[in-house]
Amino acid sequence: QVQLQESGPGLVKPSETLSLTCTVSGGSISSYYWSWIRQPAGKGLEWIGRIYTSGSTNYNPSLKSRVTMSVDTSKNQFSLKLSSVTAADTAVYYCARDLGGLAFDYWGQGTLVTVSS
Amino acid sequence: QSVLTQPPSASGTPGQRVTISCSGSSSNIGSNTVNWYQQLPGTAPKLLIYSNNQRPSGVPDRFSGSKSGTSASLAISGLQSEDEADYYCAAWDDSLNASYVFGTGTKVTVL
Repeated sequence: QVQLQESGPGLVKPSETLSLTCTVSGGSISSYYWSWIRQPAGKGLEWIGRIYTSGSTNYNPSLKSRVTMSVDTSKNQFSLKLSSVTAADTAVYYCARDLGGLAFDYWGQGTLVTVSS
Repeated sequence: QSVLTQPPSASGTPGQRVTISCSGSSSNIGSNTVNWYQQLPGTAPKLLIYSNNQRPSGVPDRFSGSKSGTSASLAISGLQSEDEADYYCAAWDDSLNASYVFGTGTKVTVL
């Protein structure tokens, strides 16, 4: 059974860079797209972007200038960096596997990241 | 602001059929497949329907999806108390700022 686990700081200061890692267990990270999705408290879901195991990426245009994703197949991990964060970036961040057609069949439990000084 | 519009809420009594709509445009639902997610309180979303009408293994056949033109629908038949959750549609949008977009979400309440 594939499992995903997000990890990273739960508190980030304004203007700094948010960094999260998603560790995949129970299966190989290879040959799949992997996405990051976020959800502010009480609000809907927002797709941040995705990365293929080759390193190819697609980002949400609204965040593209601040987002960088990377993948480490040797560790079965992929990562998210979001720069110049503000309070508006406070959210639960999820990582997820793309079954195909951006249908996310496996999700991490989510990690709350708060942007505050 | 999402480009996929859903009703904020829907409700029904146990055993009833509930339908949730998802309205989009030619750049998203009109030209791409639709996925549906269920989010129980305090948990990560779960894939309910993919490619318009396909159920992943383990999803009860009480859940069904359909698409027509620039709109899609999720139907829950034989509503159960455990179906009380938020439901989101999603699709790729081919507009100038191409991106994967989620619907506004619908809260289903079992009366």
